[in-house]
Amino acid sequence: GAVVSQHPSWVICKSGTSVKIECRSLDFQATTMFWYRQFPKQSLMLMATSNEGSKATYEQGVEKDKFLINHASLTLSTLTVTSAHPEDSSFYICSARGQGYYGYTFGSGTRLTVV
Amino acid sequence: QQQVKQSPQSLIVQKGGISIINCAYENTAFDYFPWYQQFPGKGPALLIAIRPDVSEKKEGRFTISFNKSAKQFSLHIMDSQPGDSATYFCAASTLETSGSRLTFGEGTQLTVNP
Repeated sequence: GAVVSQHPSWVICKSGTSVKIECRSLDFQATTMFWYRQFPKQSLMLMATSNEGSKATYEQGVEKDKFLINHASLTLSTLTVTSAHPEDSSFYICSARGQGYYGYTFGSGTRLTVV
Repeated sequence: QQQVKQSPQSLIVQKGGISIINCAYENTAFDYFPWYQQFPGKGPALLIAIRPDVSEKKEGRFTISFNKSAKQFSLHIMDSQPGDSATYFCAASTLETSGSRLTFGEGTQLTVNP
């Protein structure tokens, strides 16, 4: 149980374009979803937290207009990287928590490369 | 007070040996301590987790030892195998608090030589 599906697993986009990453909870209702960014050989850095039906709460230093998060349903959250630039290239990972389950389940991650 | 300190940064162990990774925390409100295993290009996967009401939890070759008074917890991997080579992250959270989130350690790169 407690499976989170993240797509795509990798994406290459041109500088200036936007990219959407999807995170779905397959067998539970995700009341809270988290989006992380991870640089090579580093720990996970929390970007934002979203509760279903509410606006996302962004961590200090994360541009909310560049990283748009939507958590419109209990099973789906999306992260859109707008006007992507090479410095946005990174590994993005989502995580979800649900009612009645106190753990955190992670998606498989998305490798974004902006060229 | 939200930090979780993890050591060592990297660890090399021979096949069949014991791998030990340590973490220390400061926030006494933390009440959930998971360990995650991450392979290159993949998301973290929950390995084992412990609550502060017990001092040890064992699942197969993996054991968490928890010392509440010292605010430390550690992961022991018995009979380490080359397939265990990965990055390991400890983490801590306040589960019951609204708005809780995981605080991660810096990670340990484990290499198990055949």
